[in-house]
Amino acid sequence: SQKIEQNSEALNIQEGKTATLTCNYTNYSPAYLQWYRQDPGRGPVFLLLIRENEKEKRKERLKVTFDTTLKQSLFHITASQPADSATYLCALEGGSYGNNRLAFGKGNQVVVIP
Amino acid sequence: EAQVTQNPRYLITVTGKKLTVTCSQNMNHEYMSWYRQDPGLGLRQIYYSMNVEVTDKGDVPEGYKVSRKEKRNFPLILESPSPNQTSLYFCASATNNEQFFGPGTRLTVL
Repeated sequence: SQKIEQNSEALNIQEGKTATLTCNYTNYSPAYLQWYRQDPGRGPVFLLLIRENEKEKRKERLKVTFDTTLKQSLFHITASQPADSATYLCALEGGSYGNNRLAFGKGNQVVVIP
Repeated sequence: EAQVTQNPRYLITVTGKKLTVTCSQNMNHEYMSWYRQDPGLGLRQIYYSMNVEVTDKGDVPEGYKVSRKEKRNFPLILESPSPNQTSLYFCASATNNEQFFGPGTRLTVL
């Protein structure tokens, strides 16, 4: 069955540094990979989507890469700020999983230290 | 304001007592979905709907029903809730693969 792995340990990072999160997947060929931010007690908020034929996507201080050979996505927050502290979820959609079905990783917490 | 609303936000109930969690969106999205989020298991898709009168099972549909009679509403029905359905539930609507989540419903089944 499909498996999506994100680091279960929180990432503690100094303000101003770049935070890098990893999303690995197996038994899966998604058409899209998405990243969401979730704050405690709230619903996830969409950040970025990258397609299987795209290598990299940027949005303001965020950058996502997608390597379908390695079956891995990297999510970068540059010049991190305390307000970036949250849990970040990767989600895979479509492809071998089926159109319109979304599978989420368990999330990786980021703590930005002032 | 574009949003997804869910009601109730919090609910404590007992085993076997039928309940409905409502979900409504004002963005005219065709796609809607329900998820549950549990510690250690992450977000899992329960059901989704591509449009009115079209619904499909996600990863964990057992014990749940949905209906999509109107575009804006997508209620989640638990006909006979059990304690293992205690969870945090999120409704979402989507366009262009971007999901907009509601604020969540925390359900406890005793």
